[in-house]
Amino acid sequence: EAQVTQNPRYLITVTGKKLTVTCSQNMNHEYMSWYRQDPGLGLRQIYYSMNVEVTDKGDVPEGYKVSRKEKRNFPLILESPSPNQTSLYFCASSFTGIISYNEQFFGPGTRLTVL
Amino acid sequence: QQQVKQSPQSLIVQKGGISIINCAYENTAFDYFPWYQQFPGKGPALLIAIRPDVSEKKEGRFTISFNKSAKQFSLHIMDSQPGDSATYFCAASIGAAGNKLTFGGGTRVLVKP
Repeated sequence: EAQVTQNPRYLITVTGKKLTVTCSQNMNHEYMSWYRQDPGLGLRQIYYSMNVEVTDKGDVPEGYKVSRKEKRNFPLILESPSPNQTSLYFCASSFTGIISYNEQFFGPGTRLTVL
Repeated sequence: QQQVKQSPQSLIVQKGGISIINCAYENTAFDYFPWYQQFPGKGPALLIAIRPDVSEKKEGRFTISFNKSAKQFSLHIMDSQPGDSATYFCAASIGAAGNKLTFGGGTRVLVKP
């Protein structure tokens, strides 16, 4: 089954304790992205990757890191989480091209609470 | 500053009624306007999308209307069903800029039986 998986689905942690949220896709997509979803603000892009070893900042990158060492995986790293990073996080992937109108496929989400 | 503004934040409609969600954008370079549907506990999924070379696109009970001069587009859900109860997000992107989607704030739709 074609899918984007995320782990963990739920996480409660404390301020300053480093954490990683994993994302994996099995559709051979070049493009992968992380979003956070907050009430009334929709989904805002944190980081994205156009391909292996190519990553760039989205609209709200502060406090986050990413890496893309393999095509299928795109982990999101919070080096020192703070309460304002409490949110619902989604990973997404899609094919890409010179001009791209490709559907993005989303994972099931990770609900993170930082105390 | 939200580049894509969506309204209303929530709406309640009776079964069989019409749900209408509106979005307005500022960046005239946007040339792709998808709508995503999200059920509780799930990630968003593409519902329907439109390019600005047409004013309307219909897929089943879902229709996008697009007004390029007003920089507005809307989603109409005809004959709304309880199974349509979900959060709907409009979005916009620039094809030549890759896959970046700019989302509206979302509309929670509840269809009462």
